[in-house]
Amino acid sequence: DQQVKQNSPSLSVQEGRISILNCDYTNSMFDYFLWYKKYPAEGPTFLISISSIKDKNEDGRFTVFLNKSAKHLSLHIVPSQPGDSAVYFCAASSVDKLIFGTGTRLQVFP
Amino acid sequence: GAVVSQHPSRVICKSGTSVKIECRSLDFQATTMFWYRQFPKKSLMLMATSNEGSKATYEQGVEKDKFLINHASLTLSTLTVTSAHPEDSSFYICSAEAASGVADTQYFGPGTRLTVL
Repeated sequence: DQQVKQNSPSLSVQEGRISILNCDYTNSMFDYFLWYKKYPAEGPTFLISISSIKDKNEDGRFTVFLNKSAKHLSLHIVPSQPGDSAVYFCAASSVDKLIFGTGTRLQVFP
Repeated sequence: GAVVSQHPSRVICKSGTSVKIECRSLDFQATTMFWYRQFPKKSLMLMATSNEGSKATYEQGVEKDKFLINHASLTLSTLTVTSAHPEDSSFYICSAEAASGVADTQYFGPGTRLTVL
């Protein structure tokens, strides 16, 4: 049973437009959510996070939204840049767990 | 969907002892497995890349004699923390890349919490 799901395996967005990556979770005990970005042949790097007590966290071009009632979070990238092309993983955390989704491959084209 | 398991999920050991952590791909064959360590502020550090039947490739700064990795089969990789010390206490996560499928698609295990007393 996948506790964290990224239902879109890929997303293609034009440069300058908004990229929206979605993530759903099932366990209401998760209290912290993270997004990681992964380039080919590299390990994932931390991008942005949000605590369950908040519904929004913004860092430059990246904003994460959390909807606890829907058990849904999303990552918004605006404006999207070609260098944002990568695989994005969402992850949900509780006391002794860090559960990852399967990733969404974002392609930003000129 | 693809599932990766880790065992144990939590381990407490005394300083100086060795601990083995297993990472298994349950329903697919993984030619490559990765081991990560989670540091404060939730960042993940890639420790090593493990390929079935060959020696692991360690990232700079990771002691290969301390963190022994064995990828004995297409479904199992093990990480052994030798002569563990309190500073090795951390959350260790593995991920596996399917032998067939989309490149860069990784499936993460649920992690192992190591506490060294």
